[in-house]
Amino acid sequence: EAGVTQSPTHLIKTRGQQVTLRCSPISGHTSVYWYQQALGLGLQFLLWYDEGEERNRGNFPPRFSGRQFPNYSSELNVNALELEDSALYLCASRKTGTSGRYEQYFGPGTRLTVT
Amino acid sequence: ILNVEQSPQSLHVQEGDSTNFTCSFPSSNFYALHWYRWETAKSPEALFVMTLNGDEKKKGRISATLNTKEGYSYLYIKGSQPEDSATYLCAFGTNAGKSTFGDGTTLTVKP
Repeated sequence: EAGVTQSPTHLIKTRGQQVTLRCSPISGHTSVYWYQQALGLGLQFLLWYDEGEERNRGNFPPRFSGRQFPNYSSELNVNALELEDSALYLCASRKTGTSGRYEQYFGPGTRLTVT
Repeated sequence: ILNVEQSPQSLHVQEGDSTNFTCSFPSSNFYALHWYRWETAKSPEALFVMTLNGDEKKKGRISATLNTKEGYSYLYIKGSQPEDSATYLCAFGTNAGKSTFGDGTTLTVKP
């Protein structure tokens, strides 16, 4: 069974640019989560999509957005990049979004560097 | 705002030592508690899902206990090995699907 995949692996952008990160969940998983891990910090919840809809978002500004496609893959968009957006962005999928009893399966992450 | 706290932040032990660390979470409206292991250069990997007060789970040398009434879970590693070196994360899961992660305990096992 293929795991969660993310692309690209690494990305370097300059301040003010826009970036799109992509995530493909495990087959059969309908729920996708996005997390940010900035240097020295823990995993910060960004966004949660289930069945194509945004279910919840963390304490991040509106320039962080995303969407989930009919095949349950997801995109995370970050507009007007700032230096502090430099971080590892992890995507995770879950069998169903309505039960917090199911474990999340994480992708390898995208390392974003903003200069 | 839901607070999930882990302690200690980091731990250095010698190979063969046993160790444990703590995850604290809100005791009201408990639904599920997850433990993950995150090795360097890899993705976080699920260890345990715990749902009932008094739950005890075991996987090899690693075990976990759960006390939902007082809002804590312990993770134990018996006879630590260098390959156990990782960051151990706990996450509080709700019945609305969201998980809140603690900042993790980073374990370093010296040979």
